[in-house]
Amino acid sequence: DTEVTQTPKHLVMGMTNKKSLKCEQHMGHRAMYWYKQKAKKPPELMFVYSYEKLSINESVPSRFSPECPNSSLLNLHLHALQPEDSALYLCASSQEGFKGRTEAFFGQGTRLTVV
Amino acid sequence: DAKTTQPTSMDCAEGRAANLPCNHSTISGNEYVYWYRQIHSQGPQYIIHGLKNNETNEMASLIITEDRKSSTLILPHATLRDTAVYYCIVRVNHGSSNTGKLIFGQGTTLQVKP
Repeated sequence: DTEVTQTPKHLVMGMTNKKSLKCEQHMGHRAMYWYKQKAKKPPELMFVYSYEKLSINESVPSRFSPECPNSSLLNLHLHALQPEDSALYLCASSQEGFKGRTEAFFGQGTRLTVV
Repeated sequence: DAKTTQPTSMDCAEGRAANLPCNHSTISGNEYVYWYRQIHSQGPQYIIHGLKNNETNEMASLIITEDRKSSTLILPHATLRDTAVYYCIVRVNHGSSNTGKLIFGQGTTLQVKP
């Protein structure tokens, strides 16, 4: 099983709402990632978790709050977003500890629209 | 910042080989080159990766120059389903840890034509 599952597939939220994106993998991977992708642009790295600890935060605004409750789950909590945060949010996972000798697997993404 | 540059777009005839070039002149000795592709509105799909030797799998071949400053992804017999954006990525190691970052560049849009 090389699947990364993201839910929901689509989400529409108001600027005052609080919502969460969920990502799940059962490959035993210990590194998990959040990316943001705007239309016609490449994915941009947001966060990296390694062994359930936040390893990299690419200066993401605090209205995005990641959480890794266990080795299989990654959440992205959203609060007070702006319309410009509308994008495809991608989750990925990879094995850890191999210094680049292993690929990352991506989910199909959550298409978020902020109104 | 991405450490790769690729042509913005390329065309390829169906059934022919597609050769996608990538420059990564600032690559470090222990950084791997990865190739992913993304079909419209789907998540990126892993294709292949390598360090310094040429690599081949069931999807493609990766040719890395001896100085490691550039590489070429080869799809041996392109089909219409290979139409996608292809990303060449240098995996950047984060400090002394094993955590790495895949930083996407702009990619090449490959259009396979009948």
